[in-house]
Amino acid sequence: QSVLTQPPSASGTPGQRVTISCSGSSSNIGSNYVYWYQQLPGTAPKLLMYRDNERPSGVPDRFSGSKPGTSASLAISGLRSEDEADYYCAAWDDSLRGVVFGGGTKLTVL
Amino acid sequence: QLQLQESGPGLVKPSETLSLTCSVSGDSISSSDYYWGWIRQPPGKGLEWIGSIDYRGNTYYNPSLKTRVTISVDTSRSQFSLKLTSMTAADTAVYFCARLPLYNNFWSGHIDHWGQGSLVTVSS
Repeated sequence: QSVLTQPPSASGTPGQRVTISCSGSSSNIGSNYVYWYQQLPGTAPKLLMYRDNERPSGVPDRFSGSKPGTSASLAISGLRSEDEADYYCAAWDDSLRGVVFGGGTKLTVL
Repeated sequence: QLQLQESGPGLVKPSETLSLTCSVSGDSISSSDYYWGWIRQPPGKGLEWIGSIDYRGNTYYNPSLKTRVTISVDTSRSQFSLKLTSMTAADTAVYFCARLPLYNNFWSGHIDHWGQGSLVTVSS
């Protein structure tokens, strides 16, 4: 059971907007930055969003992050087939004194 | 361009110790702007942070693995290493090494470069 809770799956059609949630608590998301990673099949994860809503260079602005309270969300607009991947959230946990990950969300583009 | 490459055995026997090395090229391992770390992913499952180290050798471990983990750094070889003792089937995973940027001298989960990963299977 992961400290951060993500839905196991999400789906959308090309062009749609989808959001992936990441639920935590005051000891992690509520008091620390959230990071998002995208993992294409058979590859290492790739940084998608850092410090809640900052995009690394090369990540399209179709991807955006938000963090209302103890939950975070990753939004993908203009969904494309190449967005089909697993998505993980992560944050430092003050109680556990370490970084915790969500269980991952498998995004399917229908 | 920064590259990280894991090396080590693909098969470890139960109760033995896993030793993995990460070779860093394309950037200095001796920067105070980064930690260097290990993350693992059991087949078909999610990610787990194992631990981190800075260039001076200060280490930070996942509390759930702390009694079994040792991470070390060799700046002269631009390498850092992982040792995990008392391996069991539950430790079967892809092990990634990674660069961990700091913000205000603190690491909070930012991982900007990953190695390709090394599958380690625990079996007799």
